Amino acid sequence: AQSVTQLDSQVPVFEEAPVELRCNYSSSVSVYLFWYVQYPNQGLQLLLKYLSGSTLVESINGFEAEFNKSQTSFHLRKPSVHISDTAEYFCAVTTTGGGNKLTFGTGTQLKVEL
Amino acid sequence: DAMVIQNPRYQVTQFGKPVTLSCSQTLNHNVMYWYQQKSSQAPKLLFHYYDKDFNNEADTPDNFQSRRPNTSFCFLDIRSPGLGDAAMYLCATSRPPGAGNYGYTFGSGTRLTVV
Repeated sequence: AQSVTQLDSQVPVFEEAPVELRCNYSSSVSVYLFWYVQYPNQGLQLLLKYLSGSTLVESINGFEAEFNKSQTSFHLRKPSVHISDTAEYFCAVTTTGGGNKLTFGTGTQLKVEL
Repeated sequence: DAMVIQNPRYQVTQFGKPVTLSCSQTLNHNVMYWYQQKSSQAPKLLFHYYDKDFNNEADTPDNFQSRRPNTSFCFLDIRSPGLGDAAMYLCATSRPPGAGNYGYTFGSGTRLTVV
């Protein structure tokens, strides 16, 4: 079975500063990886995903994540955050071979301050 | 726009009174999921349908049931809600793994309060 670890439950950061949200996964088989963002009382919105190909994936709002197979990581980064980035961020993993089960990490609360 | 729609956004029910949450999709995805998310926790998979095949997670309480009458709709039935069932319930859809542009699309969720 696969699992996800998000080491930081909360990350405070000042506006326009860079940020990295850490995600490590565990799986004995190949995986697909996802980052979702959740605003209060909302559903989950897909931020970006790694399926195959280039290990660096980008979102339309400036976030990027890099799949590192040797370190089993998929950290999320943004070079300059905005107040509107304040939200809960979930890393998630599923296996490529089927099973249809998306397993989430415990989430990281990003709080952007002025 | 193709999407996943959950109704209602907020639901208040009485302790022990059956309640049904609904989910519809216009994506024509094969797989539909129900997740339970309690406050400040990760979403937890309750069950999913692959077309008409129902797959229950081992630790999902019997109090939770689901129906999928057709491709577009899926329902979550809570037969006798307890205070511990208060949570955000998220519906999601996907194509089978390996399908093009594979991914999961989530609805906006239904916040269930039990009084």
